[in-house]
Amino acid sequence: SQKIEQNSEALNIQEGKTATLTCNYTNYSPAYLQWYRQDPGRGPVFLLLIRENEKEKRKERLKVTFDTTLKQSLFHITASQPADSATYLCALYNYGQNFVFGPGTRLSALP
Amino acid sequence: NAGVTQTPKFRILKIGQSMTLQCAQDMNHNYMYWYRQDPGMGLKLIYYSVGAGITDKGEVPNGYNVSRSTTEDFPLRLELAAPSQTSVYFCASSTLGDEQFFGPGTRLTVL
Repeated sequence: SQKIEQNSEALNIQEGKTATLTCNYTNYSPAYLQWYRQDPGRGPVFLLLIRENEKEKRKERLKVTFDTTLKQSLFHITASQPADSATYLCALYNYGQNFVFGPGTRLSALP
Repeated sequence: NAGVTQTPKFRILKIGQSMTLQCAQDMNHNYMYWYRQDPGMGLKLIYYSVGAGITDKGEVPNGYNVSRSTTEDFPLRLELAAPSQTSVYFCASSTLGDEQFFGPGTRLTVL
């Protein structure tokens, strides 16, 4: 069966450290994968997109990797700040099926 | 630009009632989506549209209907509301292969 999973429901990280979030998928062939941030009571906001032929993308303190052999994407936030506390969603665009979202990881960056 | 707007923000329905959730975008995007998000869960795709006059089912379409008469508007119709439709509904728009822009959401309770 098809599944998209994110490593943990919640992740606590100390301010200044690097947070690493994982997105794993099974039985999908994604053309690309996106990461979104969602704050309580709000809609998701786009952060990064990585295509199937790309290994890594960066944007300021954010980095995403995509390994189609392992069927995994890693999302890194370096030098975490309390303002980074939010839920992070991965979403893959699967050929012929449109977007599928993971359940999200709630990140708390503690001072 | 207002981006993606949704109305209403909140609504309480009785079982068996009907309602239409409104969604509009001013970015001239061809692609529009309706998602539902249950507590602690990721987003599930209900319906999507690739342009005016073209709609298709997503993962969880039962109990819903959509129409797309213009590029800007993509209303979602609930017929015969059921408690299982209690959720937060998000509308989104995009161009092909690009980020999705989300609206602020409609919180619906069916009692």
